Amino acid sequence: QKEVEQNSGPLSVPEGAIASLNCTYSDRGSQSFFWYRQYSGKSPELIMSIYSNGDKEDGRFTAQLNKASQYVSLLIRDSQPSDSATYLCAVNQGAQKLVFGQGTRLTINP
Amino acid sequence: KAGVTQTPRYLIKTRGQQVTLSCSPISGHRSVSWYQQTPGQGLQFLFEYFSETQRNKGNFPGRFSGRQFSNSRSEMNVSTLELGDSALYLCASSLGGAISGNTIYFGEGSWLTVV
Repeated sequence: QKEVEQNSGPLSVPEGAIASLNCTYSDRGSQSFFWYRQYSGKSPELIMSIYSNGDKEDGRFTAQLNKASQYVSLLIRDSQPSDSATYLCAVNQGAQKLVFGQGTRLTINP
Repeated sequence: KAGVTQTPRYLIKTRGQQVTLSCSPISGHRSVSWYQQTPGQGLQFLFEYFSETQRNKGNFPGRFSGRQFSNSRSEMNVSTLELGDSALYLCASSLGGAISGNTIYFGEGSWLTVV
């Protein structure tokens, strides 16, 4: 079992709809969770961080964390073509070590 | 506030050579970590330094090494390059004071091609 798992996609969503990205992790002791966005040929850009169970909202983005189910998700409301990218789920496993999922490629169709 | 700066951005090396990549963290950040990204393996953790000490290391061979200087700048070195070392090498920085929880920011990366 991989430490952090994501559906690799591609995930195709119409413009204006909600995009839902999911991630599961295996280390039950993990405390910090991050979503990064990576455009082709670019470096990862931090979108959201979440540390507590529940929802955290920032603009059009909502991160959800359920530690009991070892599940993290990212919702993108009112999806825009500029949201088309690969979304990486990352779990901090101590001493600033991030373990990444393989990433979900998201395409927003105009 | 300047972000994480990596040099060089692009480089081509020959098998068997060595390479040194440089990273300047965000001002005030004391933790620097390095990652390798390839299409097949994704983003993988190489190592992390805090106050000139390596605190954590990923599952890479000893050909991959790094160091951190007193001003928090860091370098990583890959010796005896192999074709499979072709990758995007990313440096990331954070405040690093806590064991976990600090937000980690990435630089633009160094694209290494081994021929």
